[in-house]
Amino acid sequence: DAGVIQSPRHEVTEMGQEVTLRCKPISGHNSLFWYRQTMMRGLELLIYFNNNVPIDDSGMPEDRFSAKMPNASFSTLKIQPSEPRDSAVYFCASSKGTGMWELFFGEGSRLTVL
Amino acid sequence: DAKTTQPPSMDCAEGRAANLPCNHSTISGNEYVYWYRQIHSQGPQYIIHGLKNNETNEMASLIITEDRKSSTLILPHATLRDTAVYYCIVVQGPGTYKYIFGTGTRLKVLA
Repeated sequence: DAGVIQSPRHEVTEMGQEVTLRCKPISGHNSLFWYRQTMMRGLELLIYFNNNVPIDDSGMPEDRFSAKMPNASFSTLKIQPSEPRDSAVYFCASSKGTGMWELFFGEGSRLTVL
Repeated sequence: DAKTTQPPSMDCAEGRAANLPCNHSTISGNEYVYWYRQIHSQGPQYIIHGLKNNETNEMASLIITEDRKSSTLILPHATLRDTAVYYCIVVQGPGTYKYIFGTGTRLKVLA
């Protein structure tokens, strides 16, 4: 079975540009998570969706960040405008549910904002 | 959710058992202990979880103390491919979605 698929794997952009990261969760999973990982802050939960509905976006750092899940097989994380401090690896993860179910992570999208 | 404490780094000789400790002294009765690992440049990967009984699967064994205040992840025969950051996480159960990964233990398996 295909795992969680993220694209792009690497993105280099200039400050002020719009960045869109994409995620395809595992089929049948109803929970989707976006995490950000940096050396300074480790893995941080940005937003959590359940059945395509955003449940908790308290981890989204600023209004420049937005996330959508238009259907069960696709989610996007958008940064507009991007800033150098947004440089990080962004991971998408999915699970069959919450709590007892293991998280399946994608390979991540490494973002560099110049 | 209970906080966990792990040593920042450990070394292990290839072929030997790697024993990774985790302290979770404030764990409550309905909280589970989960272990994930992150190999360089990859997303975290689930290893094992348990409540109060010892658990074993094809990847590792999890030993939880009787008072549940600490646990040990055991990789019985470490290989170079086990070099990774290992995260011990306490999870409350159904409905929990905030997994606090912390800084983990960086395990280096030496040839």
